[in-house]
Amino acid sequence: DGGITQSPKYLFRKEGQNVTLSCEQNLNHDAMYWYRQDPGQGLRLIYYSQIVNDFQKGDIAEGYSVSREKKESFPLTVTSAQKNPTAFYLCASSSTVSLPLHFGNGTRLTVT
Amino acid sequence: GNSVTQMEGPVTLSEEAFLTINCTYTATGYPSLFWYVQYPGEGLQLLLKATKADDKGSNKGFEATYRKETTSFHLEKGSVQVSDSAVYFCALSDRENRDDKIIFGKGTRLHILP
Repeated sequence: DGGITQSPKYLFRKEGQNVTLSCEQNLNHDAMYWYRQDPGQGLRLIYYSQIVNDFQKGDIAEGYSVSREKKESFPLTVTSAQKNPTAFYLCASSSTVSLPLHFGNGTRLTVT
Repeated sequence: GNSVTQMEGPVTLSEEAFLTINCTYTATGYPSLFWYVQYPGEGLQLLLKATKADDKGSNKGFEATYRKETTSFHLEKGSVQVSDSAVYFCALSDRENRDDKIIFGKGTRLHILP
């Protein structure tokens, strides 16, 4: 079955360490997105990519970085510059920008 | 800019009660509108959508009608079940603005009591 796979489901890191969250899709979608979800704040867009080797900052890109070297993969790195990295991170994809999004099951990152 | 406002939760209902979750939007163009549902510990799933005025989206007993005159897309269900307990997100995308991003509301948590 086609879908989006995020790994791992839970991730624990010490403060000051960079960490990379994986997102892979086999839906042949062009566009991919990273969202952050915090209690009571809904979803906030971190980065998105409409095509391979291109990506744009979302609303809260500071302290994060991404790459899009392959169509099916869009990893997110949470750097030590991100002041409040503990959150639930969701990856999504769509066939073109603005069509319904397909989401992965998320990665819960805890930084202590 | 575009925005989505939905009623704050949590909303607590008894099983078989009627559900309404309000959603209003602001958009410069002619957006498509969506409702997504998130079950505990999971990502979001598309529940229903509407792409033009007066369209009605429906799925799993849920319905929402695109009302351009009131800029609303309220989610309704006639008889809720315990399994409907989840967080519901209203969202829009503006097709006229190719660089626009999909905008989500803050979500409404729904608790259904048996």
